[in-house]
Amino acid sequence: AAGVIQSPRHLIKEKRETATLKCYPIPRHDTVYWYQQGPGQDPQFLISFYEKMQSDKGSIPDRFSAQQFSDYHSELNMSSLELGDSALYFCASSEKGGGRETQYFGPGTRLLVL
Amino acid sequence: AQTVTQSQPEMSVQEAETVTLSCTYDTSESNYYLFWYKQPPSRQMILVIRQEAYKQQNATENRFSVNFQKAAKSFSLKISDSQLGDTAMYFCAFKETSGSRLTFGEGTQLTVNP
Repeated sequence: AAGVIQSPRHLIKEKRETATLKCYPIPRHDTVYWYQQGPGQDPQFLISFYEKMQSDKGSIPDRFSAQQFSDYHSELNMSSLELGDSALYFCASSEKGGGRETQYFGPGTRLLVL
Repeated sequence: AQTVTQSQPEMSVQEAETVTLSCTYDTSESNYYLFWYKQPPSRQMILVIRQEAYKQQNATENRFSVNFQKAAKSFSLKISDSQLGDTAMYFCAFKETSGSRLTFGEGTQLTVNP
């Protein structure tokens, strides 16, 4: 079965640089979610989109922005990167209708800020 | 805000034996969803099992089952016939019916010994 696709899988950036993470949800899934997992931590919710509209917002820094496109893929844009942004970034997606509450995660993007 | 607590940072079990991981949560909602996710060394987040709060019957998925005690706000995971591949970090997660985000516990690192 098709899974959530995230790219790139690994990313190394310098402080103050910009990064863009991409997420392609499971086919027919209309909702995407972004989470950040620091070393030794549990995932923290950043933001979610349903039908291209922001549906919920968590602890996402103002330096970050995200959007969902007409084909339902999503991008997380991160500017003025800081050392503390080094983390594993997950995208998850959920399907229409009654199955909406179950989120399926992608493999994650490992971001290292030097 | 909802909170999820996993009081066992680490657990170990012998192969083929049974182990139970604990999770408690705090919410004022009456309808919600609970999940267990597994994160092996690859760091992929894998859905193990889900439970709807309005269902009294405990969910079961092959060797994995839960003990859902709504009044006590407890949601434990039982793994039967433990296998080496079950070695992973296990996260308990909560989701409001109306909300988007998953709120995770701190995780329990399970090691299955041969």
